Amino acid sequence: AQSVTQLDSQVPVFEEAPVELRCNYSSSVSVYLFWYVQYPNQGLQLLLKYLSGSTLVKGINGFEAEFNKSQTSFHLRKPSVHISDTAEYFCAVSSWNTGKLIFGQGTTLQVKP
Amino acid sequence: GAVVSQHPSWVICKSGTSVKIECRSLDFQATTMFWYRQFPKQSLMLMATSNEGSKATYEQGVEKDKFLINHASLTLSTLTVTSAHPEDSSFYICSARDSGGPPSTDTQYFGPGTRLTVL
Repeated sequence: AQSVTQLDSQVPVFEEAPVELRCNYSSSVSVYLFWYVQYPNQGLQLLLKYLSGSTLVKGINGFEAEFNKSQTSFHLRKPSVHISDTAEYFCAVSSWNTGKLIFGQGTTLQVKP
Repeated sequence: GAVVSQHPSWVICKSGTSVKIECRSLDFQATTMFWYRQFPKQSLMLMATSNEGSKATYEQGVEKDKFLINHASLTLSTLTVTSAHPEDSSFYICSARDSGGPPSTDTQYFGPGTRLTVL
């Protein structure tokens, strides 16, 4: 069985400050890891994904994430956030053979001016 | 990038009626589509996996007779909520898996969601 835990339900941060959204996963098989962003009343948009290779993954909107196999983590980071980054962020894990995504509980990023 | 559409974006219906939601992959073929349900301020819950030309696979606890899924073509899957009740009110989101290339391109693309309100 696979599971995802997002350690923070809400993360308030001031504009232009750095931010880290934490994600830990559990799986007995190889997985793919994803971060999605959801704006109010909208679907999910892919920020970045880790399939294999380099453990540092760069995504859209200046976000990046680092896969740490020993700590089973895939934390999302941005060096300087904008007001427009305010949204819900979901970490997800899937196995390549089923394609099913298992989502974490979500983290609300609140960027304050 | 790959685009997935959903129709309608919102719907209000009376209790006891049925509602059909469409999910389309606009610029790629999707042999597999997924249906999720999201309650306010909560994460997405996978309801079922829809495979083109075969029966859907439902997750534990999801009533297959209540949530009918049809994946008639490589670009269209439909979810029909039958005999809807107020507790079925939710945000329904579909995704389509673009598995037409190598594994590195295997990503789920999400539709914008459908807000269902049952009165």
